[in-house]
Formats: sequence, C-alpha cells, structure tokens
Amino acid sequence: QLQLQESGPGLVKPSESLSLTCTVSGDSISSRSSYWGWIRQPPGKSLEWIGTIYYSGTSYYYNPSLKSRVTISLDTSKTHFSLKLSSVTAADTAVYYCARGDGWAGHNWFDPWGQGTLVTVSS
Amino acid sequence: IVLTQSPGTLSLSPGERATLSCRASQSVSSSYLAWYQLKPGQAPRLLIYGASTRATGTPDRFSGSGSGTDFTLTISRLEAEDFAVYYCQQYGSSPGTFGQGTKVEIK
Repeated sequence: QLQLQESGPGLVKPSESLSLTCTVSGDSISSRSSYWGWIRQPPGKSLEWIGTIYYSGTSYYYNPSLKSRVTISLDTSKTHFSLKLSSVTAADTAVYYCARGDGWAGHNWFDPWGQGTLVTVSS
Repeated sequence: IVLTQSPGTLSLSPGERATLSCRASQSVSSSYLAWYQLKPGQAPRLLIYGASTRATGTPDRFSGSGSGTDFTLTISRLEAEDFAVYYCQQYGSSPGTFGQGTKVEIK
C-alpha cells in the first residue's frame, strides 16, 4: 500500500527558504507513470496546489502564483521527492501535504496524500 | 477557475442525506472535478474524480454528479465517520483550484 510522509522543519524564519521532503513507501516513485505533488493549506483557508513533478524527474509544473519561488525535485534513488520554497513570509505558514497525482501534465487529482506537516514562518 | 462551495456548514443527523454543491466560475472541461474528505490530523482522502467516478475504497453511499459549472457530492445516508470537511477541486484548467470547503457536522 502506497504511503507518503512529509518531514522537515516546523519553524522557518522570514526571508529564508522552506525545505520539505516526502518519503514514499510501499511502492517506487518510478514504478509507473505518476506525478508527485505538493499542496498546502494555510490556517483557516482552503487548499492550494503548489506544483507537481513527473516520475522521471524530467518535467515539472508549478502554480504561477508561486512559480518564481518554488522548486520540486526527485531524488536519484527514487524514494523521496522534495519541495523548496524561497523567500518565505508569514503568508507561507500552512500545513504542507505531499501526494501522488493522477492525470496529465499539470492537470492532476491526488491520491493518496500524506498526513501533512505544519510549517510556521516566524522570527 | 474559482470554485464556490455551498453551504459552508451542513448540520445533519446520522442516517440523513447530505447534498454538497460546488459551482465553478467557468465551465470545467470534460468534468475534470474531484472531491476530497479532510479530517483533523488525518491524510486527506480522495472520494470522487472525473465528477462521478468513485476512487478505490470509496463507499457507494458517496456519489458525484454534474457537469459544466455545477457539481454535487451526495452522501445518501450519513454514517458517524462521514462528519468531516469536504473540498472540490477542478483540474481541467491549470492551475488546479480548490473550493473553500463544506463542513458536515453532527446536528
């Protein structure tokens, strides 16, 4: 059974970079044509798609609202993928989820998801 | 595409029928719409994709319908584990967007 788990610092200072890792177990990231994505939910707000990366690591798709600050990468051993968000502000405080995406380039629904990790941006 | 869900909160008793609405600001191409269930401290769960296709493991009391700009998630008979927040998501246009959620609470 495919499972995902987010990990990373729970507190990041303003203007610094947020880095999270999603560890995939129960299957290989590269076992089939899948997309791997990040979604976030600020406190009291709805969900926001951040971006996805194709299982080969050769293609990625970002939300235009975050594109200038986001990097999603896949590790060469294909056991985890990562999110880096630069120049963070308090508005980036959110629960960050990783998930597997079905669909096609930049057009994905997500299943399954990780449990999420809260990242707070504060000095 | 902006998705507007209604009502914001639905207060119902176990065994009752729940009808959740998701309205899009423009037509969702090919009914590329999904529904998710979120509970505190748990991983979000995909219920429906393609507007009406149940995800693996989704009980048949959950059904999705609609096309164009109007979509509905129906829970035929609420069970205790169904009280949660539900979100719709369109993925036909990039970037994919989510509605603001409907909370189904116990009356």
